[in-house]
Amino acid sequence: DAKTTQPNSMESNEEEPVHLPCNHSTISGTDYIHWYRQLPSQGPEYVIHGLTSNVNNRMASLAIAEDRKSSTLILHRATLRDAAVYYCILRDEGAQKLVFGQGTRLTINP
Amino acid sequence: EAQVTQNPRYLITVTGKKLTVTCSQNMNHEYMSWYRQDPGLGLRQIYYSMNVEVTDKGDVPEGYKVSRKEKRNFPLILESPSPNQTSLYFCASSLHPGSRNQPQHFGDGTRLSIL
Repeated sequence: DAKTTQPNSMESNEEEPVHLPCNHSTISGTDYIHWYRQLPSQGPEYVIHGLTSNVNNRMASLAIAEDRKSSTLILHRATLRDAAVYYCILRDEGAQKLVFGQGTRLTINP
Repeated sequence: EAQVTQNPRYLITVTGKKLTVTCSQNMNHEYMSWYRQDPGLGLRQIYYSMNVEVTDKGDVPEGYKVSRKEKRNFPLILESPSPNQTSLYFCASSLHPGSRNQPQHFGDGTRLSIL
């Protein structure tokens, strides 16, 4: 599995945008980029995924660099409920499991 | 509501006393999996199932058994629990196994303490 690198922790303020970076310099051409988050005392929760183009859904946006060696998860207006550990995961065809790294612990200040 | 349900949510038990953690999903998913989460080690896969009657070992299968007799259920069995199996366990499911495009849905977790 290709490796991802994320900052251990980030901090932001409520109602401000948050940009969570992820480096994946060894990504292959067929790997999808997935983001999950884990809120305190809960299981991981799917956030968004993409291949090449930027993606938007009701939870977040995913910006993928043109060379695909990095991506950024964007929370447009953070709330206290967005405080969680965010995981960036690469998935290739046939990969049945998710390989979780240490993720980024996001703290949101009121 | 589409969900993965695990029971129990919390369990404290003693070494050697067989236990089963149940997992059920209502999304007609083919794929189901068990992970354990430990501090500093992240989430690691224990067992997975591509479909009914098809199960396989993940990265840390020692001391665990599973079965997949019906699509919706995937119980995790600890025949003789030991203290090193004290952990937080998550069950997950997805529509198709091995698809890069399918999200996995997780249960809320089962916290096991083996004394």
